[in-house]
Amino acid sequence: DIVMTQSPDSLAVSLGERATINCKSSQSVLYSSNNKNYLAWYQQKPGQPPKLLTHWASTRESGVPDRFSGSGSGTDFTLTISSLQAEDVAVYYCHQYYSTPRTFGQGTKVEIK
Amino acid sequence: EVQLVESGGGLVQPGGSLRLSCAASGFTFSDHYMDWVRQAPGKGLEWVGRIRDKANSYITEYAASVKGRFSISRDDLKKSLYLRMNSLRTEDTAVYYCARDLGRGGSLDYWGQGTLVTVSS
Repeated sequence: DIVMTQSPDSLAVSLGERATINCKSSQSVLYSSNNKNYLAWYQQKPGQPPKLLTHWASTRESGVPDRFSGSGSGTDFTLTISSLQAEDVAVYYCHQYYSTPRTFGQGTKVEIK
Repeated sequence: EVQLVESGGGLVQPGGSLRLSCAASGFTFSDHYMDWVRQAPGKGLEWVGRIRDKANSYITEYAASVKGRFSISRDDLKKSLYLRMNSLRTEDTAVYYCARDLGRGGSLDYWGQGTLVTVSS
């Protein structure tokens, strides 16, 4: 199974400042035949289901604010919130869909400092 | 508008069974792989399993933690997804989400609101 490890487990950022979440996979999720990274990021607010933010590591979903950006390749990935807003308080998960069983990171809780 | 609505959750004793349903609307259900993901109270997300589409023989795949106890099925005419859970354990207590696979083996782009399953005596 591919193990997904996020860091940090939690972070507190001032409004308007940058938040950076890292995700490392135990093996590459880059599929060489199409050069795509099978990596997604989700946002989950309390009492709500996860919401897809980015897939293919860096493709932002329609309607997701452009302050959210995904980057990375192979085994190392990053989700960046360029200017934290109050509504961004949530838990963020990375997710690999390169192989089954699909696996998620343990989550990173983002709060306002 | 894509909608996924789960139902069937509730309280069940250890060793018991339960069947969850997920009603889909707003998209061509038969064209998509569908997944179940669960979340224990206060914990992270755990993939349960998925079912492929007719073109891919409705192949099912499961997490090791539920293999042999849980079974996923679908009815494309009713636009419904099912999760049959047998031999339930206390550690199966969770909110169960159904989720649409963006493509065939892609990310999960739409999720239902979830249904809570509590396994307790």
